[in-house]
Amino acid sequence: AQSVTQLDSHVSVSEGTPVLLRCNYSSSYSPSLFWYVQHPNKGLQLLLKYTSAATLVKGINGFEAEFKKSETSFHLTKPSAHMSDAAEYFCVVSGFQGAQKLVFGQGTRLTINP
Amino acid sequence: GAGVSQSPSNKVTEKGKDVELRCDPISGHTALYWYRQSLGQGLEFLIYFQGNSAPDKSGLPSDRFSAERTGGSVSTLTIQRTQQEDSAVYLCASSLYQSTDTQYFGPGTRLTVL
Repeated sequence: AQSVTQLDSHVSVSEGTPVLLRCNYSSSYSPSLFWYVQHPNKGLQLLLKYTSAATLVKGINGFEAEFKKSETSFHLTKPSAHMSDAAEYFCVVSGFQGAQKLVFGQGTRLTINP
Repeated sequence: GAGVSQSPSNKVTEKGKDVELRCDPISGHTALYWYRQSLGQGLEFLIYFQGNSAPDKSGLPSDRFSAERTGGSVSTLTIQRTQQEDSAVYLCASSLYQSTDTQYFGPGTRLTVL
């Protein structure tokens, strides 16, 4: 069965320090992978997307993610956190066995400390 | 350009009543999706429409849930005989063709069943 696991339900970092949000997926092949962000009382916004063109994907607001097939991971990183990064982040996969739906991880709540 | 819009933004109803939630996708997008976001279950896929093909209803939790898409554009999600466990935020998304394309989400409809 397909699944996405976000390894941390909550991550707290200080402003200006690096951010790492971890995501692992299970699949027998390379699906499409996404990171979405949801700010409080706002809709889901796409941060970045991997579709096998390049393993290191750059997204909006300084975020990037690296696809590692051997580790079935797609961790999200940012070199320096900003207060406006505080939000819920979702790792998402699609394309499992031809399925047309997105499968969401449980989400990681990112808190930025001043 | 205009994004995905949903109405109403909030809906409060009594247990046992029927509700209809509306989604207007981005113009020209052929694929439309409904998801549900609840505290206990996270983000779950409900149903997927692609052009004139039969919809993928594999995520609908019960036969009280149904959806239609008229003219390949606007979609309505109907919940009959609402139950308290139906309380959630219902999200609509659209993409150009298929789920490996970027899905753009609407702001959601928050449903509260009393």
